[in-house]
Amino acid sequence: KQEVTQIPAALSVPEGENLVLNCSFTDSAIYNLQWFRQDPGKGLTSLLLIQSSQREQTSGRLNASLDKSSGRSTLYIAASQPGDSATYLCAVRLTSGYSTLTFGKGTMLLVS
Amino acid sequence: ETGVTQSPTHLIKTRGQQVTLRCSSQSGHNTVSWYQQALGQGPQFIFQYYREEENGRGNFPPRFSGLQFPNYSSELNVNALELDDSALYLCASSLVLDRGNSPLHFGNGTRLTVT
Repeated sequence: KQEVTQIPAALSVPEGENLVLNCSFTDSAIYNLQWFRQDPGKGLTSLLLIQSSQREQTSGRLNASLDKSSGRSTLYIAASQPGDSATYLCAVRLTSGYSTLTFGKGTMLLVS
Repeated sequence: ETGVTQSPTHLIKTRGQQVTLRCSSQSGHNTVSWYQQALGQGPQFIFQYYREEENGRGNFPPRFSGLQFPNYSSELNVNALELDDSALYLCASSLVLDRGNSPLHFGNGTRLTVT
């Protein structure tokens, strides 16, 4: 059974700091990995999608890397801003043709 | 391009009652999946519908059921509500058979409280 773990569970940083969020998964046979952002009481906003054949994806100040063999992904946020405060979730997809995602519990980020 | 919309946004029910949640898929998407997110947890997969048929199900009892309509909108029905059913219910749409290349697009969810 695939399990996804995110560390740390919560993180508080001053504005302007660069930070890294970690995601690990137990079954390396993933199809892709997706990072989401969730504001309190809201739905999920897709940030980055990395296919299993890719090593990283970038969007603005966000960079996500994937090391499938070690079962790890990181989300790097550069020059953090208060508006980045949210919960960040990673999710892995095991098979193509199905939308099933297995999520971690998320990292709650506070930028002050 | 319209996004995924869910209704209602909030709902309060009593234990033992039944509830129906609704979801309109993003334009052009033919697959809808439902997730349950308890407080402080990541979303858990409930089931997925494609061409009006369920084609994937997570570890949820039969009292969780769904429908997908020809216009790709969907309903999630929960019978005999229990206190543990209190959660945020998220709907996601995608274009299946794209070999999984597209990201899932989620709605804002329905917050269900069972008292």
